Amino acid sequence: KAGVTQTPRYLIKTRGQQVTLSCSPISGHRSVSWYQQTPGQGLQFLFEYFSETQRNKGNFPGRFSGRQFSNSRSEMNVSTLELGDSALYLCASSPLGTRNTEAFFGQGTRLTVV
Amino acid sequence: LAKTTQPISMDSYEGQEVNITCSHNNIATNDYITWYQQFPSQGPRFIIQGYKTKVTNEVASLFIPADRKSSTLSLPRVSLSDTAVYYCLVVGNAGNMLTFGGGTRLMVKP
Repeated sequence: KAGVTQTPRYLIKTRGQQVTLSCSPISGHRSVSWYQQTPGQGLQFLFEYFSETQRNKGNFPGRFSGRQFSNSRSEMNVSTLELGDSALYLCASSPLGTRNTEAFFGQGTRLTVV
Repeated sequence: LAKTTQPISMDSYEGQEVNITCSHNNIATNDYITWYQQFPSQGPRFIIQGYKTKVTNEVASLFIPADRKSSTLSLPRVSLSDTAVYYCLVVGNAGNMLTFGGGTRLMVKP
């Protein structure tokens, strides 16, 4: 069974630009969540999608958005990039996203904003 | 969401047993305790999860006392490849909204 796939693996963008990151969950998994990891703030939850609906949202500005497609693939978008958005962005999938199931993480997308 | 507290770092030697304790004083009745492992530039990987007493799988054991205010991850006979950051999480109703703390950086030496 293929794992969680995130593309691209690395990305360099300029301040003010926007970026779209993609996540393909494990086949059959309906819950996809996104996290930002930085040395200063650690791993922080961005949002979670389940059956194309945003079910939970973390404490991030509106520049961070996401969506999920009918095949459970998900994208997240960051508009008007700032230097502080440089981070490892991780996607995780699970069958239903319930408390007693594990989340499977992808390798992440390393975003550098210059 | 219950906050977790765990040591920032630990050192061990190959072949030893390592125990990492996590406190979660405000854990709710329906919360589960979950541990993840993360290597540099990779996503976290699920290790083990429990609700109470003891859970064991092929890589670790998890001990949870009756009051559930703390838990201990036990890694038997660690190797150099176990050098990683270990996160203790309390997972509530929003199961896929994981709240990570600072984690414990485990360094295994030869």
